Amino acid sequence: QKEVEQNSGPLSVPEGAIASLNCTYSDRGSQSFFWYRQYSGKSPELIMFIYSNGDKEDGRFTAQLNKASQYVSLLIRDSQPSDSATYLCAVNRDDKIIFGKGTRLHILP
Amino acid sequence: DTGVSQDPRHKITKRGQNVTFRCDPISEHNRLYWYRQTLGQGPEFLTYFQNEAQLEKSRLLSDRFSAERPKGSFSTLEIQRTEQGDSAMYLCASSFIQLLSTDTQYFGPGTRLTVL
Repeated sequence: QKEVEQNSGPLSVPEGAIASLNCTYSDRGSQSFFWYRQYSGKSPELIMFIYSNGDKEDGRFTAQLNKASQYVSLLIRDSQPSDSATYLCAVNRDDKIIFGKGTRLHILP
Repeated sequence: DTGVSQDPRHKITKRGQNVTFRCDPISEHNRLYWYRQTLGQGPEFLTYFQNEAQLEKSRLLSDRFSAERPKGSFSTLEIQRTEQGDSAMYLCASSFIQLLSTDTQYFGPGTRLTVL
């Protein structure tokens, strides 16, 4: 089992709709969870992190964490074409951060 | 610009040559990480420093790879006798970690290495 799993996509969402990105992880000892956005040819950009069960909102973005199910998600409300990118889920393990392969998101104008 | 910077942004080299990359972290960040990313994959951890101490190196990392952070500020990553399989984006990230804080890492723009 991979440490951090994401559906590679592409996930196509109409402009203005809610995009839902999902991630599962294997290490129950993980404490911190991150979402990064990466445009093609660019480096990852931190969107938000979460470490408590429940929801955390920041603007159009909401991260959701369920430690019992070892599941993290990212919701993007009012999706914009500029949200088209690869979204990387990352989980801490010891002193490192382990990344998933990312989900490609395509917002349809 | 107070973000993480990396130099060079692009490097093309011939197989067997040595290459060195530099990373300047965000000022006062005490941790510095090196990652490698290939197409369609997430960043893969290579090594990290806390201040000048190299605390961990990936077991998957060949001994052709070496990294330093001599004064706890900038870091260099050297690859000796490059191979075509070393072609990738090399990413540097930095963070400020203290007791009970979340290790939030910020990435530099990366160095894209092409080995011919």
